[in-house]
Amino acid sequence: QVQLVESGGGVVQPGRSLTLSCEASGFTFRDFAMHWVRQAPGKGLEWVAVIWYNGNNKYHADSVKGRFTISRDNSKNTLYLQLDSLRAEDSAIYHCVKDREWLPRGGMDVWGQGTTVIV
Amino acid sequence: SALTQPASVSGSPGQSITISCTGTSSDVGGYNHVSWYQHHPGKAPKFIIYDVSNRPSGVSGRFSGSKSVNTAFLTISGLQAEDEADYYCSSFTSSSTVIFGGGTKLTVL
Repeated sequence: QVQLVESGGGVVQPGRSLTLSCEASGFTFRDFAMHWVRQAPGKGLEWVAVIWYNGNNKYHADSVKGRFTISRDNSKNTLYLQLDSLRAEDSAIYHCVKDREWLPRGGMDVWGQGTTVIV
Repeated sequence: SALTQPASVSGSPGQSITISCTGTSSDVGGYNHVSWYQHHPGKAPKFIIYDVSNRPSGVSGRFSGSKSVNTAFLTISGLQAEDEADYYCSSFTSSSTVIFGGGTKLTVL
């Protein structure tokens, strides 16, 4: 079945770095755009970043631009999020999410359970 | 900033409710790429509407979507207890990014 499994979350001090990973299975990973979406405690969903199907285009939310970097390895069916210069306000559950299309306009049809980052 | 949704809505079982999602001509008004998600706390969000009014396979026909100018709408008919959840809209934007609404808590009375 279609599945996204995140890993790499944890407790980290402000200013430090963390790398999140997301292993995809059950679909042709290289054909779809992929997102990271986060939810801080008591807050709503916040879009963080997207990478197009081939990795050639990537966009980040203003709140993380210059600190977070999304990437993917289509040979390993894996999505990544590098989190640098972490702040307390980055504490959240981070979800790996599949788009319906090869670029980020189709809607997010498959969600991982998330990995928790506490800064 | 986020798309604008009402913080809460409520309805009785069997009734219909509508949740609005207001953006700008750079997102909701500029593209027919609005999606809706149902989120029960502690679970992963569920995809219920895409491209304004399309339902993914397996989603109940009680969920429907529409749009007028810069505002999108999610209507849930025949309310059921299990519909009680948080609902979020999202839209593709002119910057090739995605923006979410602030979320609406639906209470089934």
